[in-house]
Amino acid sequence: EPEVTQTPSHQVTQMGQEVILRCVPISNHLYFYWYRQILGQKVEFLVSFYNNEISEKSEIFDDQFSVERPDGSNFTLKIRSTKLEDSAMYFCASSLPLDTQYFGPGTRLTVL
Amino acid sequence: AQSVTQPDIHITVSEGASLELRCNYSYGATPYLFWYVQSPGQGLQLLLKYFSGDTLVQGIKGFEAEFKRSQSSFNLRKPSVHWSDAAEYFCAVGARQAGTALIFGKGTTLSVSS
Repeated sequence: EPEVTQTPSHQVTQMGQEVILRCVPISNHLYFYWYRQILGQKVEFLVSFYNNEISEKSEIFDDQFSVERPDGSNFTLKIRSTKLEDSAMYFCASSLPLDTQYFGPGTRLTVL
Repeated sequence: AQSVTQPDIHITVSEGASLELRCNYSYGATPYLFWYVQSPGQGLQLLLKYFSGDTLVQGIKGFEAEFKRSQSSFNLRKPSVHWSDAAEYFCAVGARQAGTALIFGKGTTLSVSS
């Protein structure tokens, strides 16, 4: 069964550094998403992406964040200058139009 | 405001007992409804979803959920819980529109006692 994959599984970085989280969505899906889950809290939407454009973003997704689909298979989330409060589990998801979002296993980001 | 409420933070049931996890939502229109499960250190796995039609939906691992429009609820049930069901369960809602955000509840942690 096709699944969403994410790399790395765990990323440790210093405050102020840039990080790129990578995702490979399910191959025939058209919509791509990033969510985050701060430890002990609920899953929060960051951004959705379609046809090489952001289709929706939350208040959390400020200028420090960017997304890109650099090729036909990868979908990335970049955080330009990480803060302590960016420490969280980041989930990538993908979907067909008007269909279920399927989630990857997540990348745990730890900012020191 | 759009929101999902899962009133029970933590539930413990005995193995073999029945289970019901509650979910209430506040949304502008009838949304798509989902239950996801998260085992420790794992991602979110879809248990079941409601888009339209029969309001009682069946999912994986013997779970079912019933959409009650009048109560804005989508409660998850299982007739007989197994130890492997211990996990965190999230209810989520989304618009009937492609590419929009899912709104999650805070989750219910299920513990199973022997």
